[in-house]
Amino acid sequence: EAQVTQNPRYLITVTGKKLTVTCSQNMNHEYMSWYRQDPGLGLRQIYYSMNVEVTDKGDVPEGYKVSRKEKRNFPLILESPSPNQTSLYFCASSLWYGGGHEQYFGPGTRLTVT
Amino acid sequence: AQTVTQSQPEMSVQEAETVTLSCTYDTSENNYYLFWYKQPPSRQMILVIRQEAYKQQNATENRFSVNFQKAAKSFSLKISDSQLGDTAMYFCAQTDYDKVIFGPGTSLSVIP
Repeated sequence: EAQVTQNPRYLITVTGKKLTVTCSQNMNHEYMSWYRQDPGLGLRQIYYSMNVEVTDKGDVPEGYKVSRKEKRNFPLILESPSPNQTSLYFCASSLWYGGGHEQYFGPGTRLTVT
Repeated sequence: AQTVTQSQPEMSVQEAETVTLSCTYDTSENNYYLFWYKQPPSRQMILVIRQEAYKQQNATENRFSVNFQKAAKSFSLKISDSQLGDTAMYFCAQTDYDKVIFGPGTSLSVIP
């Protein structure tokens, strides 16, 4: 089954404790992206990657890191989480031949930082 | 800078009626793509419809259609014969080439 998986689905952590949210897709997609969703703000892009070893900042990259060592995986790293990073996070992937392709989203990760 | 605006935070419609959700955007590019995504209470994001800016013909997908006005930078979604399963958040999104910008969303409730 074609899908994007994220782990964990729910996470409660404390300020400053490093964490990683994993994302994996099995569709051989070039493009992968991370978003955060907050009420009234919609989805905001954190980082995206157009292929292995190529990553770029989205609109809200501060406090986050990513890496793309393999085509299928795109982990999101919070090295020192703060309460303002409490949010719903989505990973997504798509084909990329000049953009404009449907994105396939993971199920979301609900993160709470206390 | 790319921006996407959805001016209707909440809307409701009677079952079987038609509703239109508004979206305006801004981009300096001539070629770009526009999307409507649906997010039901399950939180799963689902593509509803997609429009390529260089195509003048409005996209349609069954009960869903768009009114794409390139000069006005407007991209509204029309849902015909509304069904209870259409109850969801609807997000308008725009991409030039690599970045994707989403609007704040419209919460649609379909009333039996």
